[in-house]
Amino acid sequence: GESVGLHLPTLSVQEGDNSIINCAYSNSASDYFIWYKQESGKGPQFIIDIRSNMDKRQGQRVTVLLNKTVKHLSLQIAATQPGDSAVYFCAENIAGNQFYFGTGTSLTVIP
Amino acid sequence: DAGVIQSPRHEVTEMGQEVTLRCKPISGHDYLFWYRQTMMRGLELLIYFNNNVPIDDSGMPEDRFSAKMPNASFSTLKIQPSEPRDSAVYFCASSPDRVTPLHFGNGTRLTVT
Repeated sequence: GESVGLHLPTLSVQEGDNSIINCAYSNSASDYFIWYKQESGKGPQFIIDIRSNMDKRQGQRVTVLLNKTVKHLSLQIAATQPGDSAVYFCAENIAGNQFYFGTGTSLTVIP
Repeated sequence: DAGVIQSPRHEVTEMGQEVTLRCKPISGHDYLFWYRQTMMRGLELLIYFNNNVPIDDSGMPEDRFSAKMPNASFSTLKIQPSEPRDSAVYFCASSPDRVTPLHFGNGTRLTVT
């Protein structure tokens, strides 16, 4: 199977600061990436995606950066809020085959 | 749309019993996926369907697990007999095609004692 790993299992940030969550992937053929947020007791929720023909994509308070050279993906959350506390997963996909999920990073926002 | 609906939310059963988990995908989504989530292994794909037909069941742990999709609005995942190591959160997800984000339900937390 594919290897999708997160560098940091836990991350704590002060409310209002920016958060950066990282993800490494192993297969250079991966062409589609998604970030999910999972709150306690709920299923993963889509945040933002990016295809391999892009380096950066922005959403509302979130930005995903893709560095294909080093096979690295990051999620940046601006002005982190208590409601952002959750586990964040990256997932990769190759040519429409199954998604492979990373192990997750737990983000805690300190008020 | 109410999203992907799973039932029950929690299931506690004794080893050896049969367990049936249920899922209603989002209307119009042609793909349905069953995942298992554990602390040790994270999110694992068990099986997925396209237009009610099982496409890839290579992730199903063993013959004790089976999944069906009798129609476009309903799927079941059955474990018979259940074992303590089956304890996990089971998620159902659906999507309109293979290269769009999955929409997950809120899962069924299964505990086998």
